[in-house]
Amino acid sequence: DTAVSQTPKYLVTQMGNDKSIKCEQNLGHDTMYWYKQDSKKFLKIMFSYNNKELIINETVPNRFSPKSPDKAHLNLHINSLELGDSAVYFCASSHPTTGELFFGEGSRLTVL
Amino acid sequence: AQSVAQPEDQVNVAEGNPLTVKCTYSVSGNPYLFWYVQYPNRGLQFLLKYITGDNLVKGSYGFEAEFNKSQTSFHLKKPSALVSDSALYFCAVREGQAGTALIFGKGTTLSVSS
Repeated sequence: DTAVSQTPKYLVTQMGNDKSIKCEQNLGHDTMYWYKQDSKKFLKIMFSYNNKELIINETVPNRFSPKSPDKAHLNLHINSLELGDSAVYFCASSHPTTGELFFGEGSRLTVL
Repeated sequence: AQSVAQPEDQVNVAEGNPLTVKCTYSVSGNPYLFWYVQYPNRGLQFLLKYITGDNLVKGSYGFEAEFNKSQTSFHLKKPSALVSDSALYFCAVREGQAGTALIFGKGTTLSVSS
């Protein structure tokens, strides 16, 4: 019974296309995140939502738009994909008191 | 602003020997510190955390970490390394209330040889 699940696991697309990655958590957590892991394995926070409300929006191009239809879901939509968007995108949710993050398995995006 | 430094890109150790993966942090308030491990093509798995209390924290798979406030360090240790411990290890910190994002170090690749 997967706690944080992301789909799709792999995504290969052409420059200029629009794509979405979906994330769902069944842990009952209020806060969810999107992290980007680049080719050097650096992990960078992109967005954070608390109970459907955006609370962190780091310096990310506005081509990236998160959407949270309810507190168990946080989706990431990317417009006009660029080569530099190629990365692994991780969804996570956090324990309400310790802040421990629970990660999905990642979505590897390759832009050609 | 909070930050985390992992000074070593790679740590090599022979199976059966003790291992240490270093981490130092910078926060303005009380730190909440975490270690995660990432195996190839997988998500990050939680190993252990320091929130408050004993400075020596024990976690999964025989790992432990020692919180040292004066040196602002939170080094990961294991008394006897296994080949299966070979992976990418991340130290992370947050300050303040739960719901703020974890800030991750750049990661340290641990390679354990048989």
